[in-house]
Formats: sequence, C-alpha cells, structure tokens
Amino acid sequence: QKEVEQNSGPLSVPEGAIASLNCTYSDRVSQSFFWYRQYSGKSPELIMSIYSNGDKEDGRFTAQLNKASQYVSLLIRDSQPSDSATYLCAVRAGANNLFFGTGTRLTVIP
Amino acid sequence: GAVVSQHPSRVICKSGTSVKIECRSLDFQATTMFWYRQFPKKSLMLMATSNEGSKATYEQGVEKDKFLINHASLTLSTLTVTSAHPEDSSFYICRRPVAILRNYEQYFGPGTRLTVT
Repeated sequence: QKEVEQNSGPLSVPEGAIASLNCTYSDRVSQSFFWYRQYSGKSPELIMSIYSNGDKEDGRFTAQLNKASQYVSLLIRDSQPSDSATYLCAVRAGANNLFFGTGTRLTVIP
Repeated sequence: GAVVSQHPSRVICKSGTSVKIECRSLDFQATTMFWYRQFPKKSLMLMATSNEGSKATYEQGVEKDKFLINHASLTLSTLTVTSAHPEDSSFYICRRPVAILRNYEQYFGPGTRLTVT
C-alpha cells in the first residue's frame, strides 16, 4: 500500500511570511513528486515537480526532496492571500499512477 | 497554457439520463488519460485509466457499466455517466501525463461539475 501523508492543517500564516508544507511517503522506489494547488471548486493546478534530491526553486516556490528520509516539502515565500488554497502532495509510482495526500489547507491572513 | 480541456464545465441533468464528459489533449497525443471524481472537501478518487485503442481499466468499486469510458482517438477520452442518479453528482476531472525529457509531468483538466436532479 503506497501512502502519502500530509498534515491536513489548516495552516495559517500572515501575509509576507513563509508557508511550509510537508509530505511524507512510504514507497522507497518513488521517483517523481508533485505539488498541486487546488482552489475551492477548481481542479488541481500543478505548481511544482521535483525528481532528484535537493531543492528546486520557481519564483516564490521552493520544493525540497529528501529521498533517504522519504520527505518532500514546499516552501512559499512572501505568502499572499491569493495563495490561500488546499495544497496536494502527489507521488508517482509505476506507469503514471499518482498517489495523493489528503491535502493541506493554507490560509494567508492579510 | 492549458494542455487538457474538458467539456462541459458544468452540466445539470435529470435522474435517469446519461451525460457525456469530454477530456481533450490540446497539444500532444495522449495514449493514457486518468479519470477522477471529487466530492466537496474530499480527496480525489481515481475512477479509471483510459487507454487509447483498448479497454479502460477501472478501479475497484467503480461500475464499468455505469461509467463508460471511450478513448477513441489520441486526443480525446470521454466519460459517460449512464442512468445518472443524484449520488453521481460530483466534480469529474481528467489527468494527462506529459512526457518532458525523461520524466512525466501530470496535468489535470479544469473539471466538469455534474449535478443530477
């Protein structure tokens, strides 16, 4: 059973702060990791993908992967109210099978 | 830009009728599409994997005769909800893997909100 775990939150941060979202996974052979943002009533939007250990930065977003610890995180710098959403961690295993965490709800307080 | 489109975005139908939802790959051919449903404030639930030119693979507990999937071309997969009931009201979303170099990015369509009255 492949499991992906996230803290369901809610996570509240003030505007301008760094939001830190965490995810752990159980399958050691997982190779691909994704973070999605989902606004209420909308479909998930891919914001970051990461495939190798270390950090990957894209604008205000940084994904961090540690395969030895089976841990992937997403940092959002200079958080904005528009970042308020549910963030889904997903892990790919096998032929494009994706396993999702239950999501972390983030609220950025103006 | 969007790589996957869905049509319609919203549909309301009466109990007992059938509804077809289209998922279209906009730029590249897609031999595989994944169909999900999501209830309010709940996680995504994988329903089935759509394979171009062959039968779909359904997840356990998903009725294949009720949720008909057709992947007749490399750019179009359809999900038909047959004899819809109010409990079928949900948000239906397709996902498409996109090969980039040696990896696959995973993109979702914008979703279809189905309401059965």
